[in-house]
Amino acid sequence: EVQLVQSGAEVKKPGESLKISCKGSGYTFTNYWIGWVRQMPGKGLEWMGMIYPGDSDARYSPSFQGQVTISADKSITTAYLQWSSLQASDTAMYYCARGVTTVWDFDYWGQGTLVTVSS
Amino acid sequence: QSVLTQPPSVSGAPGQRVTISCTGSSSNIGAGFDVHWYQQLPGTAPKLLIYDTNNRPSGVPDRFSGSKSGTSASLAITGLQAEDEADYYCQSSDRSLSGLYVFGTGTEVTVL
Repeated sequence: EVQLVQSGAEVKKPGESLKISCKGSGYTFTNYWIGWVRQMPGKGLEWMGMIYPGDSDARYSPSFQGQVTISADKSITTAYLQWSSLQASDTAMYYCARGVTTVWDFDYWGQGTLVTVSS
Repeated sequence: QSVLTQPPSVSGAPGQRVTISCTGSSSNIGAGFDVHWYQQLPGTAPKLLIYDTNNRPSGVPDRFSGSKSGTSASLAITGLQAEDEADYYCQSSDRSLSGLYVFGTGTEVTVL
């Protein structure tokens, strides 16, 4: 069974750094992209970027380029999304999802990680 | 700002048919990129509902169907049920700087 399990909710202060994770299991982790999607409170889905764990090729949405860093450790089948300096506007639910390159959709999703940034 | 536009909300009585439109442009849907649909039940993660315009993953009822024409796509729900009350998002790709994955603005479906 394919599963993506994300790390737990985080509460941070503005200016702090953060790294959240997404652990894949039940499939060959290095053969699929892992994407990250933001959902701000009461809003829609926004694609942030993705990584191919096989070779750590990372692609970013222009809206998020330079704002976050996506990485992966294939030895532990885990992908990461990190911020160096959080802002209140980063408060959102963040989902990881498995990307299928033949049709460019997301066929499996993590349960989400809620990030709250508040002073 | 999303490049794929959906109506904010649609509603219907149980058993009725509702459709959700997804309007794009010549740089995304009109360029021939696949269209996919996701269902997000309240408080849960999105779930793939339709892929490649009109294909259902295993377990998705055949009440859900998709279509595409020109620069737009549609999701139809026939025999609407209370459990279908959710947010629905279309998704495609875009040749412009928008990137490999672009989502629609989302549509809230209400079962009356």
